[in-house]
Amino acid sequence: EAQVTQNPRYLITVTGKKLTVTCSQNMNHEYMSWYRQDPGLGLRQIYYSMNVEVTDKGDVPEGYKVSRKEKRNFPLILESPSPNQTSLYFCASSPDTGTGKFTEAFFGQGTRLTVV
Amino acid sequence: DAKTTQPTSMDCAEGRAANLPCNHSTISGNEYVYWYRQIHSQGPQYIIHGLKNNETNEMASLIITEDRKSSTLILPHATLRDTAVYYCIVRSLAISAGGTSYGKLTFGQGTILTVHP
Repeated sequence: EAQVTQNPRYLITVTGKKLTVTCSQNMNHEYMSWYRQDPGLGLRQIYYSMNVEVTDKGDVPEGYKVSRKEKRNFPLILESPSPNQTSLYFCASSPDTGTGKFTEAFFGQGTRLTVV
Repeated sequence: DAKTTQPTSMDCAEGRAANLPCNHSTISGNEYVYWYRQIHSQGPQYIIHGLKNNETNEMASLIITEDRKSSTLILPHATLRDTAVYYCIVRSLAISAGGTSYGKLTFGQGTILTVHP
């Protein structure tokens, strides 16, 4: 089954303790991205990757890191989490149709992170 | 990306057609209209997209006006499981140009559709 898998689904952590949220897709998609969703602010893009070893900042990258060593994986790293990073996080992937364009995005089920 | 305007909420009776409007008066010629939905904090789900012709798939139909300034998503026979937030997004198909990520999806507040028995 084609899917984007995030882990963990729920996480409560303390301020300053490094954590990683994993994201894996089995559709051989080139484009992957991370969003966070907060009440009243909607979904905002954190980082994106157009292919292996190619990453770039989205709208709200501060406090986050990503890597894209393999095509299927795009982990989100919080080196020193703070309470303002408490949010619902989504990973998404999209295929490149071969002309630098893409159509639909597939989203993971989300990771609810609480930083205390 | 062009800005979109959607009603905050709508109701629909189960089994009836749900017609969700979207205004995008500043849409440019190379921008497509996309619809996604999000069911109660799950990951957003792609529904349909189109440029200027009406489109239909197994989930919904998309009607785009001739001037492309507005569109309507139609769920032909709404069920309780269609209760969700529906997002209308306009964007180019291009992944990037000049360092800008067109791959980014800009979600507004969407329309809360409630399907009732």
